[in-house]
Amino acid sequence: AQSVTQLDSQVPVFEEAPVELRCNYSSSVSVYLFWYVQYPNQGLQLLLKYLSGSTLVKGINGFEAEFNKSQTSFHLRKPSVHISDTAEYFCVVRGDTDKLIFGTGTRLQVFP
Amino acid sequence: NAGVTQTPKFRILKIGQSMTLQCTQDMNHNYMYWYRQDPGMGLKLIYYSVGAGITDKGEVPNGYNVSRSTTEDFPLRLELAAPSQTSVYFCASSSQKNQPQHFGDGTRLSIL
Repeated sequence: AQSVTQLDSQVPVFEEAPVELRCNYSSSVSVYLFWYVQYPNQGLQLLLKYLSGSTLVKGINGFEAEFNKSQTSFHLRKPSVHISDTAEYFCVVRGDTDKLIFGTGTRLQVFP
Repeated sequence: NAGVTQTPKFRILKIGQSMTLQCTQDMNHNYMYWYRQDPGMGLKLIYYSVGAGITDKGEVPNGYNVSRSTTEDFPLRLELAAPSQTSVYFCASSSQKNQPQHFGDGTRLSIL
């Protein structure tokens, strides 16, 4: 069975600093990986996805993630965050079923 | 573009009441999903559908029912509301199972 672990429930950071949100997954089959962002009182929006190919994936709003098969990780990074990046971020995996498995989320809080 | 539309946005129910959460999408997506989101948790899949007339259980289907009579609509029904069903409910859709899901803005449901 697939599972997703987001290692940090909250990440506080100052504006313009770099950030990394960590995600590890477990799966015995090939996976598809996603990062979604949820702004307050809104639904989830896709940030980026890894289906195959290059292990470095670039998404919207300057975010990128690197798929590391040997470490079963898919960490999300941004070199310089903005106040507007304050949100909840979810790492999501889809394996050999039709279903997505969501991590418990990481709350990114950007301070001025 | 409307995308995925959920109604109502907020609702308070008494224990034992019933209601239907509406979800409609205008993207002609075959796949539709219902999730619930509880504080500090990721999203849990309640039910999903791979096309009109076809539905299947997710991780937490107890206490809910769904139907899919058209491609556009995927209503979620609570027959006997219980306090444990207090949650935020999200509907999502995707064109294919490998493609990212598009989410509605959610329905906040409180059972008192």
